[in-house]
Amino acid sequence: DGGITQSPKYLFRKEGQNVTLSCEQNLNHDAMYWYRQDPGQGLRLIYYSQIVNDFQKGDIAEGYSVSREKKESFPLTVTSAQKNPTAFYLCAISWTGGDEQFFGPGTRLTVL
Amino acid sequence: RKEVEQDPGPFNVPEGATVAFNCTYSNSASQSFFWYRQDCRKEPKLLMSVYSSGNEDGRFTAQLNRASQYISLLIRDSKLSDSATYLCVVSEMDSSYKLIFGSGTRLLVRP
Repeated sequence: DGGITQSPKYLFRKEGQNVTLSCEQNLNHDAMYWYRQDPGQGLRLIYYSQIVNDFQKGDIAEGYSVSREKKESFPLTVTSAQKNPTAFYLCAISWTGGDEQFFGPGTRLTVL
Repeated sequence: RKEVEQDPGPFNVPEGATVAFNCTYSNSASQSFFWYRQDCRKEPKLLMSVYSSGNEDGRFTAQLNRASQYISLLIRDSKLSDSATYLCVVSEMDSSYKLIFGSGTRLLVRP
């Protein structure tokens, strides 16, 4: 089954805990992205990666970390330093040099 | 000023109506433009790219006006299934990898 997968779909965590969100793709796209969406707002870029073992901060990287050890995987860790982590997190992919981005189904994170 | 601005709506129209959304962008050097559709609590899905010459896909027509820095989306013969939020998306000047998303325009099509 091809495509972009994100897990889990829903995630609850207690304040002070780190949590890792998964993003996997088998479409052989080079570039991967993490966005966060808050109600009534546009998507905001957290981190992006154009190639394996390389990634760049987006507009709101504070309190987040990523890794890109494999082309297929781009996990996002939401650390306890993120002040307001409750949001809808979306992973996206694109071809190198291509602008169109395609999104996974998202993970809804709630901090209790 | 926001980099990409959209009227949040909602636009409430009857089935069969024609509805148009506009979006303005602030960076005159932006190169790529898109419309995405997002259903409630779902991920955005690419609806269409917007080219300088304009483009049409069935009931949907997108236009780009570089001089005035706005993009439009026209939906003809609205269906109930068109009810969604439509996101205007623009590329950043210095990187084709970074897209700037508008907050979206909500469309409600009623029977």
